[in-house]
Amino acid sequence: DSGVTQTPKHLITATGQRVTLRCSPRSGDLSVYWYQQSLDQGLQFLIQYYNGEERAKGNILERFSAQQFPDLHSELNLSSLELGDSALYFCASSVGTARAGGGELFFGEGSRLTVL
Amino acid sequence: GNSVTQMEGPVTLSEEAFLTINCTYTATGYPSLFWYVQYPGEGLQLLLKATKADDKGSNKGFEATYRKETTSFHLEKGSVQVSDSAVYFCALSPNQAGTALIFGKGTTLSVSS
Repeated sequence: DSGVTQTPKHLITATGQRVTLRCSPRSGDLSVYWYQQSLDQGLQFLIQYYNGEERAKGNILERFSAQQFPDLHSELNLSSLELGDSALYFCASSVGTARAGGGELFFGEGSRLTVL
Repeated sequence: GNSVTQMEGPVTLSEEAFLTINCTYTATGYPSLFWYVQYPGEGLQLLLKATKADDKGSNKGFEATYRKETTSFHLEKGSVQVSDSAVYFCALSPNQAGTALIFGKGTTLSVSS
């Protein structure tokens, strides 16, 4: 058990809909990262927050947004969903930023999104 | 830019065979290098890491050496077990502000008894 909790574990929805994925980081970790894992693209970095502020941005679509709340949990919002958004979405956390923490991330078990 | 390339899988081995999974990287500056492992139905977990050139990371019988001259970080294990069956990801941390871990596409290892 990594200590990172993601909900829901599975989600099935239709094209055009909007969903929210939730992540609670390990106790004491200030950084939260979101990654998308698909068969063809592998593990793609989406976005990172550190203590409530956006710190790094990767290949995140404009239809997607995220935030980190004062209690350090994070939410990833996916809107106007398309079939190609079907993937496993991972949240990870770390004590500091990638620069400060040496890059060790602790991953949740992921939220599997299926768009029909 | 920063990127990681690792060998395509799947890799299929018999128990007690020698394992090598190749990983090469492109990076500016002085990155840290990692191997993560993903067991079926689970999230990724850190297997080993190396933070500077010539460092050797090791854990659970796996090891990898940070080779700056060949920009490589190959994963090796002398004798694999069935329980090592998983997906292995090579990753790079640029150690620069505004960046995060960059992963290779993963290599699936299947070990049979």
